[in-house]
Amino acid sequence: EDQVTQSPEALRLQEGESSSLNCSYTVSGLRGLFWYRQDPGKGPEFLFTLYSAGEEKEKERLKATLTKKESFLHITAPKPEDSATYLCAVRDSGGGADGLTFGKGTHLIIQP
Amino acid sequence: SAVISQKPSRDICQRGTSLTIQCQVDSQVTMMFWYRQQPGQSLTLIATANQGSEATYESGFVIDKFPISRPNLTFSTLTVSNMSPEDSSIYLCSVGTGQTKAFFGQGTRLTVV
Repeated sequence: EDQVTQSPEALRLQEGESSSLNCSYTVSGLRGLFWYRQDPGKGPEFLFTLYSAGEEKEKERLKATLTKKESFLHITAPKPEDSATYLCAVRDSGGGADGLTFGKGTHLIIQP
Repeated sequence: SAVISQKPSRDICQRGTSLTIQCQVDSQVTMMFWYRQQPGQSLTLIATANQGSEATYESGFVIDKFPISRPNLTFSTLTVSNMSPEDSSIYLCSVGTGQTKAFFGQGTRLTVV
């Protein structure tokens, strides 16, 4: 059974204070690791998909990296508008299903 | 990216009744999915909506409780049947564009009283 564990559950940072969010996963075969941002009352907003260990992707102040067991979402010099819940999900190559298995998310608060 | 419209955005329903949620996409997509997001929990896949055939349900979800229609490549519905307070949740429609991305609608916030 696929498992996705995100840490920490919540993180409070000062504006400009860089940090990283962790996503540990267990799958039989990885067909993609996905990162999303979710604001209150809204659906998840797609950020990145990573496929193989060593891969990195960047978007503005966010950079996602991937190893064989975990992914990190690095946030550099965050701003208050980066406050949101960040979700990690995996797509497994086993079983033929194309849906995603999600972690519970990291609730990020950036204080001015 | 795909633009996904979900209706209704929220509803309050009496126990024992049913609610049908609609999902409309602005382009043809092969894969459509329905998820549930309970308070404080992960998003959980309910089923894959297959065009022209029955939906494929995940463990713990059954067709009698969550019937799904997929009449074409841009539209799907999820019905939550014979509702109880435990069904109070956010229900989300998702579409996949190839294997690289997966987009979500804004969700339907359901409260059962």
